Amino acid sequence: DTGVSQDPRHKITKRGQNVTFRCDPISEHNRLYWYRQTLGQGPEFLTYFQNEAQLEKSRLLSDRFSAERPKGSFSTLEIQRTEQGDSAMYLCASSPGGDRGANYGYTFGSGTRLTVV
Amino acid sequence: TQLLEQSPQFLSIQEGENLTVYCNSSSVFSSLQWYRQEPGEGPVLLVTVVTGGEVKKLKRLTFQFGDARKDSSLHITAAQPGDTGLYLCAGARRNQGGKLIFGQGTELSVKP
Repeated sequence: DTGVSQDPRHKITKRGQNVTFRCDPISEHNRLYWYRQTLGQGPEFLTYFQNEAQLEKSRLLSDRFSAERPKGSFSTLEIQRTEQGDSAMYLCASSPGGDRGANYGYTFGSGTRLTVV
Repeated sequence: TQLLEQSPQFLSIQEGENLTVYCNSSSVFSSLQWYRQEPGEGPVLLVTVVTGGEVKKLKRLTFQFGDARKDSSLHITAAQPGDTGLYLCAGARRNQGGKLIFGQGTELSVKP
């Protein structure tokens, strides 16, 4: 296993279009997280899954955003009707479940850089 | 409201100098992690501290968790240009699903 993979690395889209990002976590990790990072800021939590169940969504995740993790493996994050304010780096991370995850840290992917023009 | 305040936000030093980055909060965390991030990449975990007062060393980097588990510091001795990057602290609270709260980061530039 080579770590957390994210695809695509870069995405440029026109305002109003829909985009979908994919994340493949470390296979033995049952928790998967999505974060968003804008320039000069630390990552902000969006949502997380334990296996296939989405357990928490941030208020940052408007109804234009949806995330899935079918079968508890890879995850997708879709943004509908993109806006310029959605431009950011979208980061995926995985960890073992429970306090082990919080105590051992995450493994992050390289992120997807979204630019909405 | 920023729950984790990092300082300084920017630091530019010469090779060989020492530096300390601070991460402060009014909240208690069950663990605190430090990450380093390079442009266009995801954060990479450096260390996790879980016990109040804990000190961990990673070569020239020394990490400390405050006794009350509300703050942490990262000290780099004899900085090198390869240490250049964005340093992020992140805290986890118990029973919050492992969700991390990140500070805004410290952008470190080490000039040769």
